[in-house]
Amino acid sequence: DAGITQSPRHKVTETGTPVTLRCHQTENHRYMYWYRQDPGHGLRLIHYSYGVKDTDKGEVSDGYSVSRSKTEDFLLTLESATSSQTSVYFCAISDQRDYNEQFFGPGTRLTVL
Amino acid sequence: DAKTTQPNSMESNEEEPVHLPCNHSTISGTDYIHWYRQLPSQGPEYVIHGLTSNVNNRMASLAIAEDRKSSTLILHRATLRDAAVYYCILRDGQGAQKLVFGQGTRLTINP
Repeated sequence: DAGITQSPRHKVTETGTPVTLRCHQTENHRYMYWYRQDPGHGLRLIHYSYGVKDTDKGEVSDGYSVSRSKTEDFLLTLESATSSQTSVYFCAISDQRDYNEQFFGPGTRLTVL
Repeated sequence: DAKTTQPNSMESNEEEPVHLPCNHSTISGTDYIHWYRQLPSQGPEYVIHGLTSNVNNRMASLAIAEDRKSSTLILHRATLRDAAVYYCILRDGQGAQKLVFGQGTRLTINP
């Protein structure tokens, strides 16, 4: 299995509070991604990174920010959490030498009350 | 992004072949066809991908229509562990993999 961990795995928070989710990889892959998955739906891309300090928006980026200060870590921040951001968040990585496979982490279940 | 269409659900029996269809009539010449699956309570996992030719790997086979407007994922001998949601995704062959997931096909395997 690809070395991807996400922390925390579960979090319950209140509306208006800031939340940061962490994705950590040990594969030295160039690309990292954050997706969210809501019940009955496929995954939707929030933000992605194509290198240290290089990030870009995905299809549902409003209300989220990201940072990547080193290759192995990609942080997703909800500046002021809302109930609509209750979801399961998945991190993924892919290698610049092989665009064909994306590896996913175990997910973080976030509940915003 | 080019869109894919899959049946919402399918059912099959253990140890029988399963053919999962996907339509992608607006596919462009640089789009790769990817399949991922998501087992319950897990992140998606890569299954197979192709561009024009049929492909085989240890998990499955991918049959691509000659006009590339449709494809079929083939599980040769389904097991209970193959019960999952299967996603057919088109990926532009350049740069970061900005995968666009649809709702996928929920595959049920009967013992």
